[in-house]
Amino acid sequence: EIVLTQSPGTLSLSPGERATLSCRASQSVTSNYLAWYQQKPGQAPRLVIYDASIRATGIPDRFSGSGSGTDFTLTISRLEPDDFAVYYCQQYASSPNTFGQGTKLEIK
Amino acid sequence: QLQLQESGPGLVKPSETLSLTCTVSGGSISSGDYYWAWIRQPPGKGLEWIGKIYYNGGTFFNPSLKSRVTISLDASKNHLSLNLRSVTAADTAVYYCARQGSLATDYWGQGTLVTVSS
Repeated sequence: EIVLTQSPGTLSLSPGERATLSCRASQSVTSNYLAWYQQKPGQAPRLVIYDASIRATGIPDRFSGSGSGTDFTLTISRLEPDDFAVYYCQQYASSPNTFGQGTKLEIK
Repeated sequence: QLQLQESGPGLVKPSETLSLTCTVSGGSISSGDYYWAWIRQPPGKGLEWIGKIYYNGGTFFNPSLKSRVTISLDASKNHLSLNLRSVTAADTAVYYCARQGSLATDYWGQGTLVTVSS
């Protein structure tokens, strides 16, 4: 089973700042089958990035994903108030398709 | 527009079976392009992948739940089902059904809270 470790657990930033979220895998994620999701309170998660670096439909270009192998990053270039949420990474390269424990992005 | 809707009892007694249905509209679960997954989230905690099923009935499960879980498809009703046996309070969670394909998990239901309590 691939274990995903996200850091930091909580990230406190102000609107307009840059956010960098990390997801580290316990073993290599084949074909970079790594996704990022955004979840707001009381809502289902929303796909943000898939295949490590491809933005999902409707996701603004201030969101970008990078990385390969075991180290992946989600970057939000200029935070807007709507971006503050919890972000999860998930690998879908091998079963079980595990999630990271999440990073809470909060307003400073 | 694809939509998924979970339904089932909101309260289940310990040691009993949790049974949920996910009705899919706007697309066919018989499409060979996707898996259909169940994911859960205990209150205030992170996401846990339960398992997924392919249109031909092939399944994958989280090893931590495999002995207690059944996932099935009913193509005639365009829905999928989840059964989780011998539940305890640790199974209290919001349960989501979702579509999983080459674009990761791109469509999610709104989720349904199931509480395990006597």
